[in-house]
Amino acid sequence: EDQVTQSPEALRLQEGESSSLNCSYTVSGLRGLFWYRQDPGKGPEFLFTLYSAGEEKEKERLKATLTKKESFLHITAPKPEDSATYLCAVPGSSNTGKLIFGQGTTLQVKP
Amino acid sequence: GAGVSQSPSNKVTEKGKDVELRCDPISGHTALYWYRQSLGQGLEFLIYFQGNSAPDKSGLPSDRFSAERTGGSVSTLTIQRTQQEDSAVYLCASSAWTRETQYFGPGTRLLVL
Repeated sequence: EDQVTQSPEALRLQEGESSSLNCSYTVSGLRGLFWYRQDPGKGPEFLFTLYSAGEEKEKERLKATLTKKESFLHITAPKPEDSATYLCAVPGSSNTGKLIFGQGTTLQVKP
Repeated sequence: GAGVSQSPSNKVTEKGKDVELRCDPISGHTALYWYRQSLGQGLEFLIYFQGNSAPDKSGLPSDRFSAERTGGSVSTLTIQRTQQEDSAVYLCASSAWTRETQYFGPGTRLLVL
């Protein structure tokens, strides 16, 4: 069964305190792994797509990496505006492109 | 350019009433997806359209839920005889082609009293 698990569920950091979010997945034939950011009351905002083990993508203070079983979202020197819920998703095995989402990690960065 | 839009942004209805939720995808996007996000459940897939056809309806929770897409563009999700457990945020996403990056709208927050 296709499954995505994110940890931790919640993370509180001080401004400038770097950390990593984890996304582990079980799917037959990975066809990409997607990271989204979701602010309260809004729809998910696309961040990154990773397709193969060893691939890395960066955007400002965020860097996403991928292995054969998991992905990490590294946050370097976070700022309060990085506070949000970060969602990880993979396309399901059915090949229709429907995304299987993890439960998300809610990040709070305090000044 | 314009992103995915959804209307209404909020909807309050009484149990037993029918509701219609609308999604306008990004212009030119052929694939359209509906998801539901509720507390404690995360984001759950409902239905996928490629053009006007829906090859995957596997996520629709009951026959009270239906959706259509016309002109390869606008989609409407209809919930008949709403129940309190239907209360959730309904999100629409579109992508240029199947399996490409999906871009989400702001969602419709549905509350069934």
